[in-house]
Amino acid sequence: EIVLTQSPGTLSLSPGERATLSCRTSQSVSSNYLAWYQQKPGQAPRLLIFGASSRATGIPDRFSGSGSGTDFTLTISRLEPEDCAVYHCQRYGSSLTFGGGTKVEIK
Amino acid sequence: EVQLVESGGALVQPGGSLRLSCAASGFSFDDYAMHWVRQVPGKGLEWVSGISWNSDNIGYADSVKGRFTISRDNAKKSLYLQMNSLRAEDTALYYCAKDISSGCCYWYFDLWGRGTLVTVSS
Repeated sequence: EIVLTQSPGTLSLSPGERATLSCRTSQSVSSNYLAWYQQKPGQAPRLLIFGASSRATGIPDRFSGSGSGTDFTLTISRLEPEDCAVYHCQRYGSSLTFGGGTKVEIK
Repeated sequence: EVQLVESGGALVQPGGSLRLSCAASGFSFDDYAMHWVRQVPGKGLEWVSGISWNSDNIGYADSVKGRFTISRDNAKKSLYLQMNSLRAEDTALYYCAKDISSGCCYWYFDLWGRGTLVTVSS
């Protein structure tokens, strides 16, 4: 069974700073079948990235995804106050598995 | 408006049963697979179950297999989750989620509801 490990658990940064979130998988992810979701407090998750690096419709270009194999990264280039949320990665394909999430706090 | 609205969450005793519902609107419900995903408050997401557009293909997480049953009614644009033999570890916020494709269970989710809370406790 594949395990997705997200780090750090919490990231505290100031507006305008760059946020780098990691998602590591215990097995290689074929075809870069990895998605990222944003979940703001009290809200439903929202799809940000699919295919490891493709932005979903309407997602600002300050959000970008990269990586392959077992190491994936979500980068928020210039943090804005509304980016305060928990970010989840998900492997899809042969199984549907989520990571534990990274909380992004804005100072 | 494109949305999913869950209902049916409640406080239930261990060993009890509950049926969750998800009402879809604003998109062609019968073109897409649908899923249930749960989240223990403060924890990560866990995929629970999924169903293809025509109910021909269904999947379950090992943690709920044999206890939960997913179903859908395309005429009513509704998704259901029948939960039996509930345990304390089933306590979570249950989300309904729309697949990007018609088949199940392989892809990711592009629309989520706000969830309904299930609490299993005596």
